[in-house]
Amino acid sequence: SAVISQKPSRDICQRGTSLTIQCQVDSQVTMMFWYRQQPGQSLTLIATANQGSEATYESGFVIDKFPISRPNLTFSTLTVSNMSPEDSSIYLCSVEGRSQETQYFGPGTRLLVL
Amino acid sequence: KQEVTQIPAALSVPEGENLVLNCSFTDSAIYNLQWFRQDPGKGLTSLLLIQSSQREQTSGRLNASLDKSSGRSTLYIAASQPGDSATYLCAVKDNAGNMLTFGGGTRLMVKP
Repeated sequence: SAVISQKPSRDICQRGTSLTIQCQVDSQVTMMFWYRQQPGQSLTLIATANQGSEATYESGFVIDKFPISRPNLTFSTLTVSNMSPEDSSIYLCSVEGRSQETQYFGPGTRLLVL
Repeated sequence: KQEVTQIPAALSVPEGENLVLNCSFTDSAIYNLQWFRQDPGKGLTSLLLIQSSQREQTSGRLNASLDKSSGRSTLYIAASQPGDSATYLCAVKDNAGNMLTFGGGTRLMVKP
């Protein structure tokens, strides 16, 4: 299994500001995923981050709004830029297990934008 | 595009009942299916993973089945307990890629 930590666990931010969320994994992984869970909704994939290459974004998500860094095989950041109240969500980091089967999730970052 | 649906959206049962949560998906070309549990305000905990070639997986009081041809999976919880109260999410991984497509979840409450 993989143990994933995220920082911050929660934050309250003002409209127009940006927040960077950190994700740290206890083992080296090829692919890291960022998901968003809006209030009362299920999870939606934002992007897939591979070390050494540009992140791949899903439909509806763009790099200018959600820039991602993947400097090494155990760490990634997601920035939520120019925030609006509609960005209030839980943001979750995820990785695949060694067998590339089971997927593991971090505890999430709960973001509230006022 | 894969779509995953979970029924019911919410369920309230008395402690001790056996219950079934349903998950359906539109594209049967899946690599695997995974059931997760999410407690309020928390991340996801993997419960069971079923490979596309498998019919079911069991862990303790949990049993998940998969009927790929009909695009269905069920999660059976035996002798439910108040500690089982959570949201249960079904997610499928397609053969084409690595991403998971999630259902909307079933919010379960088990009353003492």
